[in-house]
Amino acid sequence: EPEVTQTPSHQVTQMGQEVILRCVPISNHLYFYWYRQILGQKVEFLVSFYNNEISEKSEIFDDQFSVERPDGSNFTLKIRSTKLEDSAMYFCASSVTSGRAYEQYFGPGTRLTVT
Amino acid sequence: QKEVEQDPGPLSVPEGAIVSLNCTYSNSAFQYFMWYRQYSRKGPELLMYTYSSGNKEDGRFTAQVDKSSKYISLFIRDSQPSDSATYLCAVERGNAGKSTFGDGTTLTVKP
Repeated sequence: EPEVTQTPSHQVTQMGQEVILRCVPISNHLYFYWYRQILGQKVEFLVSFYNNEISEKSEIFDDQFSVERPDGSNFTLKIRSTKLEDSAMYFCASSVTSGRAYEQYFGPGTRLTVT
Repeated sequence: QKEVEQDPGPLSVPEGAIVSLNCTYSNSAFQYFMWYRQYSRKGPELLMYTYSSGNKEDGRFTAQVDKSSKYISLFIRDSQPSDSATYLCAVERGNAGKSTFGDGTTLTVKP
């Protein structure tokens, strides 16, 4: 069964460093998303992406964040200068179309630890 | 006011019990209602989604939506220890795919 994959599973970085989290969405999906979940808190939307453009972003997704689809299979989230409060699980998700955006499939997540 | 409020739990039931998980939402613009299951340190797994008011059944799981009262529920029949997980409700307007999640209810089914 097709699935979303994410790498690395765990990333440790120092405050102020740049990190890139990688995702491979399901191959025939066209919409991609990033969510984060701080330990013990709810899953929060960061950004949605379609046709090489951001469709929607939350107030969390400030200038320190960027997303990119560098090739036909990868989808990345970059945090330019990490802060302690960026420590969280980051989930990538994908859906077939915008018309079925409610049917999102999530990856296993990348645990980001900022020290 | 939170957009989605979920009964906090935790919830502990004996194997075979019927489980009821509930959420309310505040904005009538939400059109789609989803239930996810999340095991510890894993990604959310979509269980069911519904569009309109009414019931939707899938095996032991039934999702119920009442748009007039902005209330959504998930019922699990004949609960099993393998159902032990955190259950997340989520809502969506049906456009750009921003799903808004509840805080989650942690369920433990004891053998």
